[in-house]
Amino acid sequence: GDSVTQMEGPVTLSEEAFLTINCTYTATGYPSLFWYVQYPGEGLQLLLKATKADDKGSNKGFEATYRKETTSFHLEKGSVQVSDSAVYFCALSNRDDKIIFGKGTRLHILP
Amino acid sequence: DSGVTQTPKHLITATGQRVTLRCSPRSGDLSVYWYQQSLDQGLQFLIQYYNGEERAKGNILERFSAQQFPDLHSELNLSSLELGDSALYFCASSVEARQASYNEQFFGPGTRLTVL
Repeated sequence: GDSVTQMEGPVTLSEEAFLTINCTYTATGYPSLFWYVQYPGEGLQLLLKATKADDKGSNKGFEATYRKETTSFHLEKGSVQVSDSAVYFCALSNRDDKIIFGKGTRLHILP
Repeated sequence: DSGVTQTPKHLITATGQRVTLRCSPRSGDLSVYWYQQSLDQGLQFLIQYYNGEERAKGNILERFSAQQFPDLHSELNLSSLELGDSALYFCASSVEARQASYNEQFFGPGTRLTVL
């Protein structure tokens, strides 16, 4: 079945560092891909999405490009802030309504 | 604030007991989804309701059941609880029942269930 694999955390970076969180997927057909963020004590929020190959999703300085040839959707940010500390989930949605999530990557940003 | 509310925020109970988790979707949303987040299994889809009818089922145990009421709020019932049921249970809602890429799901803050 469809699945998502993302790098295990925690990832600890200093403020203003460059961030990459790797995500790869297995799916039939042409799924849509998402990154969700979960801040402490809150539910998940959609951060960005891409619905077809070579699409780039972006929001709040974060970017991810849908790479069908490598089945990847890596999350990047050029300069992280302390407020970016959270858990990040890569996810996919295929032909139906449900979302399949990766296990999440906890990000700590040090001031 | 997503507009999705869940009660209670925390629930502590004993093995073998039964609990009910409640979710109120965003105003105007017809679709409600339940997810379980546990340390070993990650975040897993349990079940979806659309306008009162069950629409999709995921990895939901037979001991668990859900329903969506005419006012569109939903309840997740967990019975014969086991230690392994301890988890964070999220509810999400969306306007309609379409593929998630065209129909954003908005998540509530979750109910943390601890089974002792």
